[in-house]
Amino acid sequence: GENVEQHPSTLSVQEGDSAVIKCTYSDSASNYFPWYKQELGKGPQLIIDIRSNVGEKKDQRIAVTLNKTAKHFSLHITETQPEDSAVYFCAATPQGNNRLAFGKGNQVVVIP
Amino acid sequence: DGGITQSPKYLFRKEGQNVTLSCEQNLNHDAMYWYRQDPGQGLRLIYYSQIVNDFQKGDIAEGYSVSREKKESFPLTVTSAQKNPTAFYLCASSISAVGNTIYFGEGSWLTVV
Repeated sequence: GENVEQHPSTLSVQEGDSAVIKCTYSDSASNYFPWYKQELGKGPQLIIDIRSNVGEKKDQRIAVTLNKTAKHFSLHITETQPEDSAVYFCAATPQGNNRLAFGKGNQVVVIP
Repeated sequence: DGGITQSPKYLFRKEGQNVTLSCEQNLNHDAMYWYRQDPGQGLRLIYYSQIVNDFQKGDIAEGYSVSREKKESFPLTVTSAQKNPTAFYLCASSISAVGNTIYFGEGSWLTVV
């Protein structure tokens, strides 16, 4: 099955700086890659996603890039703010089903 | 409000007791899912249902059971056979079981003592 790994596990950034989280996946058949943000004690919230026919997608301060050849995708957060502090999960799923395989999460801390 | 409602938010049970977690959605989604989250870990799929009266095992189904008698409801029972049931349980749904965004509820904390 699909195996997703996230790096680094913890990331601290100064407010206003950029944060980048990278995920690698193992199944070349995977074609959908969402990113979720989870605040303490709450359910994950989808913040951005990308499909395999697109190399990059942007939504205001958040962007996701996909490198299918290298089998990795990254979340980019620009102009970080304290409310960006959370755990971020990446996931991947092969075409034909919604059985998401999640990474273990990345704790992002934005220092005011 | 439209969304996914999980209840209760916090639940304590004694070892050996079965417990049922509720999940209701009013999004008219066909597919529903149950995930388990342990501290510092990703989400692992327990069971999923693509349509009413149908469900399939996920990656860690042992010790759990589900039913899908209504489109909007997908309760999860944690049985006494689950060896390590203390965890954060997340219910989710999507329009269909193929190629659609999955949305999560707010989760239920289960502590077994």
